[in-house]
Amino acid sequence: DGGITQSPKYLFRKEGQNVTLSCEQNLNHDAMYWYRQDPGQGLRLIYYSQIVNDFQKGDIAEGYSVSREKKESFPLTVTSAQKNPTAFYLCASSIGWTGDSNQPQHFGDGTRLSIL
Amino acid sequence: QKEVEQNSGPLSVPEGAIASLNCTYSDRGSQSFFWYRQYSGKSPELIMFIYSNGDKEDGRFTAQLNKASQYVSLLIRDSQPSDSATYLCAVTRRYGNKLVFGAGTILRVKS
Repeated sequence: DGGITQSPKYLFRKEGQNVTLSCEQNLNHDAMYWYRQDPGQGLRLIYYSQIVNDFQKGDIAEGYSVSREKKESFPLTVTSAQKNPTAFYLCASSIGWTGDSNQPQHFGDGTRLSIL
Repeated sequence: QKEVEQNSGPLSVPEGAIASLNCTYSDRGSQSFFWYRQYSGKSPELIMFIYSNGDKEDGRFTAQLNKASQYVSLLIRDSQPSDSATYLCAVTRRYGNKLVFGAGTILRVKS
Protein backbone atom coordinates (compact mmCIF):
# COMPACT_ATOMS: atom_id res chain seq x y z
CA ASP A 1 0.00 0.00 0.00
CA GLY A 2 1.27 3.47 -0.88
CA GLY A 3 1.27 6.06 1.83
CA ILE A 4 3.05 8.27 4.28
CA THR A 5 4.40 6.74 7.48
CA GLN A 6 5.21 8.83 10.51
CA SER A 7 6.91 7.47 13.61
CA PRO A 8 6.70 7.36 16.48
CA LYS A 9 3.03 7.99 17.15
CA TYR A 10 3.82 9.51 20.58
CA LEU A 11 7.08 11.08 21.71
CA PHE A 12 8.20 12.66 24.95
CA ARG A 13 11.03 15.16 25.18
CA LYS A 14 13.08 16.05 28.21
CA GLU A 15 14.35 19.56 28.79
CA GLY A 16 17.44 20.31 26.69
CA GLN A 17 16.98 17.28 24.49
CA ASN A 18 16.77 17.11 20.69
CA VAL A 19 14.29 14.64 19.23
CA THR A 20 13.79 13.46 15.66
CA LEU A 21 10.45 12.66 14.04
CA SER A 22 10.48 10.29 11.10
CA CYS A 23 8.50 10.70 7.88
CA GLU A 24 8.72 8.20 5.01
CA GLN A 25 6.63 8.09 1.83
CA ASN A 26 6.43 5.47 -0.92
CA LEU A 27 4.23 7.52 -3.25
CA ASN A 28 7.16 8.76 -5.35
CA HIS A 29 6.18 12.33 -4.49
CA ASP A 30 8.71 15.08 -5.08
CA ALA A 31 7.46 17.53 -2.45
CA MET A 32 7.28 16.98 1.30
CA TYR A 33 6.17 19.21 4.16
CA TRP A 34 6.13 19.45 7.94
CA TYR A 35 3.30 21.15 9.79
CA ARG A 36 2.56 21.79 13.42
CA GLN A 37 -1.00 21.81 14.81
CA ASP A 38 -1.89 23.24 18.20
CA PRO A 39 -5.31 22.69 19.80
CA GLY A 40 -8.04 24.71 18.09
CA GLN A 41 -5.63 26.09 15.51
CA GLY A 42 -4.93 25.51 11.89
CA LEU A 43 -1.82 23.85 10.57
CA ARG A 44 1.32 25.97 10.44
CA LEU A 45 4.14 25.23 8.02
CA ILE A 46 7.53 24.46 9.60
CA TYR A 47 9.68 23.35 6.65
CA TYR A 48 9.11 22.14 3.13
CA SER A 49 11.12 20.43 0.42
CA GLN A 50 10.28 20.71 -3.25
CA ILE A 51 12.84 18.17 -4.33
CA VAL A 52 15.50 15.91 -2.86
CA ASN A 53 18.55 17.70 -1.40
CA ASP A 54 16.64 20.96 -1.15
CA PHE A 55 14.47 22.40 1.63
CA GLN A 56 13.15 25.79 2.70
CA LYS A 57 11.95 27.37 5.93
CA GLY A 58 8.24 27.75 6.42
CA ASP A 59 6.45 30.21 8.67
CA ILE A 60 7.66 28.83 12.02
CA ALA A 61 11.08 27.22 11.39
CA GLU A 62 12.86 28.50 14.50
CA GLY A 63 13.92 25.65 16.77
CA TYR A 64 13.52 23.00 14.06
CA SER A 65 15.79 21.42 11.46
CA VAL A 66 15.25 19.01 8.56
CA SER A 67 17.16 17.05 5.93
CA ARG A 68 16.14 15.60 2.55
CA GLU A 69 18.88 13.19 1.53
CA LYS A 70 16.49 10.70 -0.01
CA LYS A 71 13.33 11.32 -2.01
CA GLU A 72 11.23 9.16 0.28
CA SER A 73 12.46 10.52 3.62
CA PHE A 74 12.07 13.93 5.32
CA PRO A 75 12.93 13.74 9.05
CA LEU A 76 12.25 16.66 11.39
CA THR A 77 14.44 17.41 14.41
CA VAL A 78 12.92 19.41 17.24
CA THR A 79 15.86 21.04 18.97
CA SER A 80 16.19 22.28 22.54
CA ALA A 81 15.87 25.81 21.12
CA GLN A 82 12.17 25.17 20.48
CA LYS A 83 10.74 26.30 23.81
CA ASN A 84 7.16 25.20 23.25
CA PRO A 85 7.36 21.93 21.33
CA THR A 86 4.18 20.30 22.62
CA ALA A 87 1.98 19.86 19.54
CA PHE A 88 0.69 17.45 16.91
CA TYR A 89 3.24 17.21 14.09
CA LEU A 90 2.05 16.31 10.62
CA CYS A 91 4.09 15.31 7.61
CA ALA A 92 2.58 15.68 4.13
CA SER A 93 3.63 15.06 0.56
CA SER A 94 2.43 15.98 -2.92
CA ILE A 95 3.32 14.92 -6.45
CA GLY A 96 4.68 18.38 -7.16
CA TRP A 97 5.09 21.53 -5.13
CA THR A 98 1.55 22.71 -4.31
CA GLY A 99 2.37 26.35 -4.90
CA ASP A 100 3.39 25.77 -8.52
CA SER A 101 1.43 22.71 -9.56
CA ASN A 102 -1.76 23.05 -7.49
CA GLN A 103 -1.28 19.45 -6.42
CA PRO A 104 -3.10 18.49 -3.20
CA GLN A 105 -1.13 17.44 -0.16
CA HIS A 106 -1.72 14.13 1.60
CA PHE A 107 -0.92 13.59 5.26
CA GLY A 108 0.61 10.93 7.43
CA ASP A 109 -1.00 9.91 10.73
CA GLY A 110 1.03 12.40 12.77
CA THR A 111 3.26 12.37 15.84
CA ARG A 112 2.18 13.80 19.20
CA LEU A 113 5.11 15.39 21.02
CA SER A 114 4.96 16.28 24.69
CA ILE A 115 7.44 17.65 27.22
CA LEU A 116 8.27 15.51 30.24
CA GLN B 1 -6.96 39.86 9.54
CA LYS B 2 -6.27 36.15 9.26
CA GLU B 3 -5.30 34.87 5.83
CA VAL B 4 -7.95 32.14 5.93
CA GLU B 5 -10.99 32.50 8.16
CA GLN B 6 -13.53 29.93 9.17
CA ASN B 7 -16.29 30.01 11.74
CA SER B 8 -15.09 27.69 14.51
CA GLY B 9 -18.58 26.33 15.18
CA PRO B 10 -19.79 23.95 16.26
CA LEU B 11 -22.25 23.79 13.39
CA SER B 12 -25.02 21.39 14.33
CA VAL B 13 -27.29 19.86 11.68
CA PRO B 14 -29.78 17.00 11.86
CA GLU B 15 -29.09 13.78 10.03
CA GLY B 16 -30.14 14.01 6.39
CA ALA B 17 -29.85 17.80 6.21
CA ILE B 18 -27.43 19.88 4.15
CA ALA B 19 -24.41 21.18 6.02
CA SER B 20 -22.88 24.38 4.68
CA LEU B 21 -19.32 25.27 5.65
CA ASN B 22 -17.79 28.58 4.67
CA CYS B 23 -14.30 29.96 4.31
CA THR B 24 -13.01 33.40 3.36
CA TYR B 25 -9.47 34.29 2.34
CA SER B 26 -7.52 37.51 2.07
CA ASP B 27 -5.09 36.95 -0.83
CA ARG B 28 -6.76 37.88 -4.12
CA GLY B 29 -4.02 36.01 -5.96
CA SER B 30 -4.88 32.63 -4.42
CA GLN B 31 -5.27 29.96 -7.08
CA SER B 32 -6.03 26.66 -5.37
CA PHE B 33 -8.51 25.77 -2.67
CA PHE B 34 -8.74 22.58 -0.67
CA TRP B 35 -11.12 21.08 1.87
CA TYR B 36 -9.86 18.57 4.42
CA ARG B 37 -11.79 16.58 7.03
CA GLN B 38 -10.12 15.87 10.37
CA TYR B 39 -11.60 13.48 12.89
CA SER B 40 -10.69 14.07 16.52
CA GLY B 41 -7.14 12.89 17.20
CA LYS B 42 -6.50 12.01 13.55
CA SER B 43 -4.70 13.62 10.65
CA PRO B 44 -6.44 15.66 7.91
CA GLU B 45 -7.92 13.78 4.99
CA LEU B 46 -8.43 15.46 1.60
CA ILE B 47 -12.09 15.73 0.56
CA MET B 48 -12.07 18.06 -2.41
CA PHE B 49 -10.13 20.71 -4.26
CA ILE B 50 -11.30 23.43 -6.61
CA TYR B 51 -9.43 25.85 -8.84
CA SER B 52 -12.09 27.59 -10.95
CA ASN B 53 -15.06 29.75 -10.06
CA GLY B 54 -18.31 27.86 -9.74
CA ASP B 55 -19.34 24.51 -8.32
CA LYS B 56 -17.58 21.17 -8.25
CA GLU B 57 -19.48 18.09 -7.15
CA ASP B 58 -18.17 14.78 -5.85
CA GLY B 59 -20.77 12.44 -4.43
CA ARG B 60 -22.46 14.13 -1.45
CA PHE B 61 -19.92 16.96 -1.45
CA THR B 62 -20.03 20.17 -3.45
CA ALA B 63 -17.31 22.81 -3.33
CA GLN B 64 -18.23 26.34 -4.40
CA LEU B 65 -15.71 29.02 -5.27
CA ASN B 66 -16.27 32.74 -5.75
CA LYS B 67 -12.95 34.48 -6.35
CA ALA B 68 -14.51 37.93 -6.71
CA SER B 69 -15.94 37.68 -3.19
CA GLN B 70 -12.97 35.67 -1.92
CA TYR B 71 -14.90 32.83 -0.41
CA VAL B 72 -15.06 29.11 -0.83
CA SER B 73 -17.69 26.83 0.66
CA LEU B 74 -18.33 23.14 1.13
CA LEU B 75 -21.83 21.68 1.05
CA ILE B 76 -22.49 18.23 2.44
CA ARG B 77 -25.80 16.76 1.32
CA ASP B 78 -27.64 14.06 3.27
CA SER B 79 -25.39 14.62 6.29
CA GLN B 80 -24.55 11.53 8.31
CA PRO B 81 -23.32 11.20 11.91
CA SER B 82 -20.04 9.91 10.41
CA ASP B 83 -19.56 13.36 8.85
CA SER B 84 -19.08 14.81 12.34
CA ALA B 85 -15.55 16.17 12.28
CA THR B 86 -13.53 19.36 11.91
CA TYR B 87 -13.38 20.68 8.34
CA LEU B 88 -10.26 22.58 7.36
CA CYS B 89 -10.13 25.02 4.47
CA ALA B 90 -6.70 25.51 2.83
CA VAL B 91 -5.73 28.12 0.28
CA THR B 92 -2.52 28.65 -1.67
CA ARG B 93 -0.81 31.90 -0.83
CA ARG B 94 0.41 33.69 -3.93
CA TYR B 95 3.49 35.14 -2.22
CA GLY B 96 5.77 32.23 -1.43
CA ASN B 97 3.38 29.77 -3.06
CA LYS B 98 2.52 28.11 0.25
CA LEU B 99 -0.65 26.44 1.48
CA VAL B 100 -2.35 28.28 4.34
CA PHE B 101 -4.90 26.55 6.57
CA GLY B 102 -7.87 27.94 8.41
CA ALA B 103 -8.46 26.88 12.02
CA GLY B 104 -11.40 24.71 10.96
CA THR B 105 -15.12 24.42 11.57
CA ILE B 106 -16.48 21.73 13.88
CA LEU B 107 -19.48 19.96 12.35
CA ARG B 108 -21.87 17.88 14.45
CA VAL B 109 -24.51 15.78 12.73
CA LYS B 110 -27.21 14.67 15.14
CA SER B 111 -29.09 11.41 14.56
